[in-house]
Amino acid sequence: EIVLTQSPGTLSLSPGERATLSCRASQSVSSDYLAWYQLKPGQAPRLLIYGASSRATGIPDRFSGSGSGTDFTLTISRLEPEDSAVYYCQQYGSSARTFGQGTKLEIK
Amino acid sequence: EVQLVESGGGLVKPGGSLRLSCAASGFTFSSYSMIWVRQAPGKGLEWVSSISGTNTYIYYANSVKGRFTISRDNAKNSLFLQMDSLRAEDTAVYYCARDPHTSSYFDSWGQGTLVTVSS
Repeated sequence: EIVLTQSPGTLSLSPGERATLSCRASQSVSSDYLAWYQLKPGQAPRLLIYGASSRATGIPDRFSGSGSGTDFTLTISRLEPEDSAVYYCQQYGSSARTFGQGTKLEIK
Repeated sequence: EVQLVESGGGLVKPGGSLRLSCAASGFTFSSYSMIWVRQAPGKGLEWVSSISGTNTYIYYANSVKGRFTISRDNAKNSLFLQMDSLRAEDTAVYYCARDPHTSSYFDSWGQGTLVTVSS
């Protein structure tokens, strides 16, 4: 099973700043099959990025994904108050799909 | 618009059973694999089970294998999760989600239903 480790655990930034979230895999993720999700309390989780760098439908271009192999990054430029959420990475390169433990993003 | 609405959560005693449902609309349900994912209080997301569009492939996490059963009714656009021999550690919000390519990412999610296992 591929273990995903996200860092930092919590990130506190101001509106307009850039957020950089990291996801590191215990072994190489096949074909860069890595997705990112946004979770807000009481809401349905939302797919942001798939294939490491492809934005899902309706996702603003402030959200971008990058990386390959074992190191992946979600970047949110020009933070807005509504970006406050917990962000999870997920790999689907192996049959046992796994999630990271999440990064909580707080907007000051 | 894709919509997924879970129901059936609640409070159940350890060793008890519960059946979750997920009503799907806005897409051709039978063409998609579907999955259940859960989030225990204060914890991260955990994939629970998957089922392909025509029931050909069914998978379970080791933590629920032998206790949970996933199924679907394509005529009624519904997904189910039968949960037996429930344990305290099964307490979580359970989400259903759509898997657009089978064994891939999850592109649409419901809002979840809370299952609490406690005496």
